[in-house]
Amino acid sequence: AQTVTQSQPEMSVQEAETVTLSCTYDTSESDYYLFWYKQPPSRQMILVIRQEAYKQQNATENRFSVNFQKAAKSFSLKISDSQLGDAAMYFCAYRREGNTPLVFGKGTRLSVIA
Amino acid sequence: DSGVTQTPKHLITATGQRVTLRCSPRSGDLSVYWYQQSLDQGLQFLIQYYNGEERAKGNILERFSAQQFPDLHSELNLSSLELGDSALYFCASSVRRWDSSGANVLTFGAGSRLTVL
Repeated sequence: AQTVTQSQPEMSVQEAETVTLSCTYDTSESDYYLFWYKQPPSRQMILVIRQEAYKQQNATENRFSVNFQKAAKSFSLKISDSQLGDAAMYFCAYRREGNTPLVFGKGTRLSVIA
Repeated sequence: DSGVTQTPKHLITATGQRVTLRCSPRSGDLSVYWYQQSLDQGLQFLIQYYNGEERAKGNILERFSAQQFPDLHSELNLSSLELGDSALYFCASSVRRWDSSGANVLTFGAGSRLTVL
Protein backbone atom coordinates (compact mmCIF):
# COMPACT_ATOMS: atom_id res chain seq x y z
CA ALA A 1 0.00 0.00 0.00
CA GLN A 2 1.11 3.51 -0.68
CA THR A 3 2.15 5.65 2.29
CA VAL A 4 2.89 9.33 2.65
CA THR A 5 5.16 10.63 5.41
CA GLN A 6 5.47 14.19 6.64
CA SER A 7 8.24 14.22 9.21
CA GLN A 8 7.70 17.78 10.46
CA PRO A 9 4.60 18.02 12.68
CA GLU A 10 5.16 21.77 13.11
CA MET A 11 7.13 24.48 11.36
CA SER A 12 7.36 28.23 11.76
CA VAL A 13 8.57 30.98 9.48
CA GLN A 14 9.02 34.72 9.71
CA GLU A 15 6.79 36.81 7.51
CA ALA A 16 8.42 37.44 4.09
CA GLU A 17 10.87 34.58 4.58
CA THR A 18 11.01 31.22 2.80
CA VAL A 19 10.08 27.86 4.30
CA THR A 20 10.24 24.31 2.98
CA LEU A 21 7.90 21.53 4.08
CA SER A 22 9.06 17.94 3.58
CA CYS A 23 7.18 14.95 2.25
CA THR A 24 8.26 11.45 1.30
CA TYR A 25 6.14 8.68 -0.12
CA ASP A 26 6.36 5.02 -0.85
CA THR A 27 5.01 3.45 -4.01
CA SER A 28 5.87 0.82 -6.57
CA GLU A 29 3.91 2.63 -9.28
CA SER A 30 5.63 4.61 -12.04
CA ASP A 31 2.69 6.84 -12.94
CA TYR A 32 1.09 8.84 -10.16
CA TYR A 33 0.26 12.33 -8.96
CA LEU A 34 1.37 14.29 -5.92
CA PHE A 35 -0.43 17.16 -4.25
CA TRP A 36 -0.13 19.69 -1.49
CA TYR A 37 -3.37 20.74 0.18
CA LYS A 38 -3.73 23.60 2.64
CA GLN A 39 -6.19 23.49 5.54
CA PRO A 40 -6.61 26.89 7.22
CA PRO A 41 -8.50 27.33 10.52
CA SER A 42 -11.75 27.27 8.54
CA ARG A 43 -10.92 23.56 7.94
CA GLN A 44 -11.61 23.85 4.20
CA MET A 45 -9.25 21.70 2.10
CA ILE A 46 -7.64 23.89 -0.57
CA LEU A 47 -5.45 22.58 -3.37
CA VAL A 48 -2.12 24.41 -3.39
CA ILE A 49 -0.16 22.65 -6.11
CA ARG A 50 0.05 19.34 -7.96
CA GLN A 51 2.78 17.42 -9.75
CA GLU A 52 2.51 14.68 -12.35
CA ALA A 53 5.18 12.02 -11.82
CA TYR A 54 5.93 11.78 -15.53
CA LYS A 55 6.92 15.45 -15.63
CA GLN A 56 10.52 16.21 -14.69
CA GLN A 57 9.88 19.93 -14.38
CA ASN A 58 8.92 21.04 -10.89
CA ALA A 59 5.47 22.61 -10.58
CA THR A 60 5.11 26.23 -9.49
CA GLU A 61 2.09 28.32 -8.52
CA ASN A 62 3.00 31.91 -7.73
CA ARG A 63 4.85 31.82 -4.35
CA PHE A 64 4.52 28.04 -4.08
CA SER A 65 6.89 25.61 -5.73
CA VAL A 66 7.85 21.99 -5.29
CA ASN A 67 11.07 20.03 -5.39
CA PHE A 68 10.10 16.66 -6.86
CA GLN A 69 12.78 13.98 -6.63
CA LYS A 70 11.24 10.86 -8.16
CA ALA A 71 14.12 8.50 -7.46
CA ALA A 72 14.25 9.58 -3.83
CA LYS A 73 10.44 9.60 -3.60
CA SER A 74 10.56 13.07 -2.15
CA PHE A 75 8.13 15.93 -2.75
CA SER A 76 8.83 19.09 -0.76
CA LEU A 77 6.87 22.34 -0.83
CA LYS A 78 8.63 25.70 -0.81
CA ILE A 79 6.70 28.79 0.19
CA SER A 80 8.44 32.04 -0.71
CA ASP A 81 7.70 35.47 0.74
CA SER A 82 5.55 33.91 3.46
CA GLN A 83 2.40 35.76 4.41
CA LEU A 84 0.25 35.63 7.52
CA GLY A 85 -2.47 34.00 5.45
CA ASP A 86 -0.19 31.05 4.75
CA ALA A 87 -0.59 29.88 8.34
CA ALA A 88 -2.39 26.53 8.12
CA MET A 89 -2.04 22.77 8.16
CA TYR A 90 -0.40 21.51 5.01
CA PHE A 91 -1.05 18.01 3.78
CA CYS A 92 0.97 16.12 1.22
CA ALA A 93 -1.06 13.61 -0.77
CA TYR A 94 -0.47 10.86 -3.33
CA ARG A 95 -2.77 9.45 -5.94
CA ARG A 96 -2.20 6.53 -8.26
CA GLU A 97 -2.95 6.86 -11.95
CA GLY A 98 -6.62 6.53 -12.71
CA ASN A 99 -9.77 7.25 -10.76
CA THR A 100 -8.39 6.44 -7.31
CA PRO A 101 -8.50 7.98 -3.84
CA LEU A 102 -5.94 10.35 -2.38
CA VAL A 103 -3.62 9.05 0.33
CA PHE A 104 -2.69 11.79 2.78
CA GLY A 105 0.22 12.37 5.11
CA LYS A 106 -0.45 13.41 8.71
CA GLY A 107 0.20 17.07 7.98
CA THR A 108 2.55 19.87 8.98
CA ARG A 109 1.23 22.81 10.96
CA LEU A 110 2.82 26.02 9.67
CA SER A 111 2.90 29.16 11.79
CA VAL A 112 3.82 32.53 10.29
CA ILE A 113 5.39 35.03 12.68
CA ALA A 114 4.83 38.71 12.04
CA ASP B 1 -17.40 27.97 -2.81
CA SER B 2 -15.80 24.76 -4.11
CA GLY B 3 -19.00 23.50 -5.72
CA VAL B 4 -19.15 20.47 -3.41
CA THR B 5 -21.98 20.86 -0.89
CA GLN B 6 -22.14 19.02 2.40
CA THR B 7 -24.97 19.01 4.89
CA PRO B 8 -25.32 19.39 7.77
CA LYS B 9 -22.34 21.59 8.65
CA HIS B 10 -22.56 20.67 12.30
CA LEU B 11 -24.28 17.81 14.07
CA ILE B 12 -24.40 16.92 17.74
CA THR B 13 -25.82 13.58 18.80
CA ALA B 14 -25.58 10.94 21.50
CA THR B 15 -23.83 7.60 21.64
CA GLY B 16 -25.78 4.78 20.09
CA GLN B 17 -27.60 7.04 17.65
CA ARG B 18 -27.57 7.03 13.85
CA VAL B 19 -26.89 9.97 11.54
CA THR B 20 -26.79 10.61 7.81
CA LEU B 21 -24.38 12.99 6.14
CA ARG B 22 -25.17 14.25 2.68
CA CYS B 23 -22.92 15.33 -0.17
CA SER B 24 -23.73 16.92 -3.51
CA PRO B 25 -20.71 16.74 -5.82
CA ARG B 26 -19.53 19.48 -8.12
CA SER B 27 -21.75 19.71 -11.19
CA GLY B 28 -20.93 16.91 -13.59
CA ASP B 29 -18.47 15.10 -11.31
CA LEU B 30 -19.03 11.37 -11.32
CA SER B 31 -16.83 10.25 -8.42
CA VAL B 32 -17.49 10.93 -4.76
CA TYR B 33 -15.08 10.20 -1.92
CA TRP B 34 -15.64 10.24 1.84
CA TYR B 35 -12.86 11.03 4.29
CA GLN B 36 -12.75 11.19 8.09
CA GLN B 37 -10.55 13.67 9.95
CA SER B 38 -10.34 13.18 13.70
CA LEU B 39 -8.99 15.97 15.92
CA ASP B 40 -5.60 17.18 14.68
CA GLN B 41 -5.19 14.12 12.50
CA GLY B 42 -4.76 13.54 8.81
CA LEU B 43 -7.55 12.56 6.49
CA GLN B 44 -8.48 8.89 6.46
CA PHE B 45 -10.11 7.55 3.31
CA LEU B 46 -13.40 5.78 3.94
CA ILE B 47 -15.05 4.95 0.62
CA GLN B 48 -15.34 6.01 -3.04
CA TYR B 49 -18.23 5.81 -5.49
CA TYR B 50 -18.17 6.28 -9.23
CA ASN B 51 -21.41 6.86 -11.13
CA GLY B 52 -23.45 5.02 -8.52
CA GLU B 53 -21.12 2.07 -7.99
CA GLU B 54 -18.72 1.45 -5.13
CA ARG B 55 -15.22 1.89 -6.51
CA ALA B 56 -12.82 1.63 -3.57
CA LYS B 57 -13.03 0.99 0.13
CA GLY B 58 -10.69 2.24 2.82
CA ASN B 59 -10.80 2.13 6.60
CA ILE B 60 -14.57 2.21 6.87
CA LEU B 61 -16.13 0.60 9.91
CA GLU B 62 -18.94 -1.93 9.51
CA ARG B 63 -21.20 0.48 11.42
CA PHE B 64 -20.76 2.94 8.55
CA SER B 65 -22.29 2.64 5.11
CA ALA B 66 -22.64 4.85 2.07
CA GLN B 67 -24.32 5.04 -1.28
CA GLN B 68 -24.41 7.22 -4.36
CA PHE B 69 -27.77 7.92 -5.93
CA PRO B 70 -28.72 8.28 -9.63
CA ASP B 71 -28.50 12.07 -9.36
CA LEU B 72 -24.90 11.51 -8.13
CA HIS B 73 -25.38 12.86 -4.63
CA SER B 74 -24.06 10.62 -1.88
CA GLU B 75 -24.96 9.83 1.70
CA LEU B 76 -22.78 8.47 4.48
CA ASN B 77 -24.69 6.66 7.20
CA LEU B 78 -23.09 6.30 10.62
CA SER B 79 -24.84 4.06 13.14
CA SER B 80 -24.35 2.90 16.74
CA LEU B 81 -22.27 6.01 17.22
CA GLU B 82 -19.40 6.03 19.68
CA LEU B 83 -17.47 8.90 21.22
CA GLY B 84 -14.54 8.11 18.93
CA ASP B 85 -16.66 8.78 15.87
CA SER B 86 -16.56 12.49 16.63
CA ALA B 87 -14.72 13.97 13.67
CA LEU B 88 -14.90 16.14 10.59
CA TYR B 89 -16.25 14.19 7.66
CA PHE B 90 -15.26 15.42 4.23
CA CYS B 91 -16.76 14.66 0.89
CA ALA B 92 -14.76 15.25 -2.28
CA SER B 93 -15.60 14.82 -5.95
CA SER B 94 -13.74 14.42 -9.23
CA VAL B 95 -13.95 13.13 -12.80
CA ARG B 96 -16.16 15.40 -14.82
CA ARG B 97 -18.45 13.75 -17.26
CA TRP B 98 -17.41 16.04 -20.10
CA ASP B 99 -13.85 17.04 -19.24
CA SER B 100 -11.02 14.72 -18.26
CA SER B 101 -8.37 17.42 -17.89
CA GLY B 102 -8.96 17.79 -14.17
CA ALA B 103 -9.62 14.13 -13.55
CA ASN B 104 -6.86 13.73 -11.02
CA VAL B 105 -7.80 16.64 -8.81
CA LEU B 106 -10.20 16.13 -5.92
CA THR B 107 -12.38 19.08 -4.93
CA PHE B 108 -13.43 19.06 -1.29
CA GLY B 109 -16.57 20.23 0.43
CA ALA B 110 -16.46 22.25 3.64
CA GLY B 111 -17.02 19.17 5.78
CA SER B 112 -19.62 18.03 8.30
CA ARG B 113 -18.52 18.25 11.92
CA LEU B 114 -19.99 15.43 13.98
CA THR B 115 -19.89 15.55 17.76
CA VAL B 116 -20.96 12.46 19.69
CA LEU B 117 -21.71 13.06 23.38
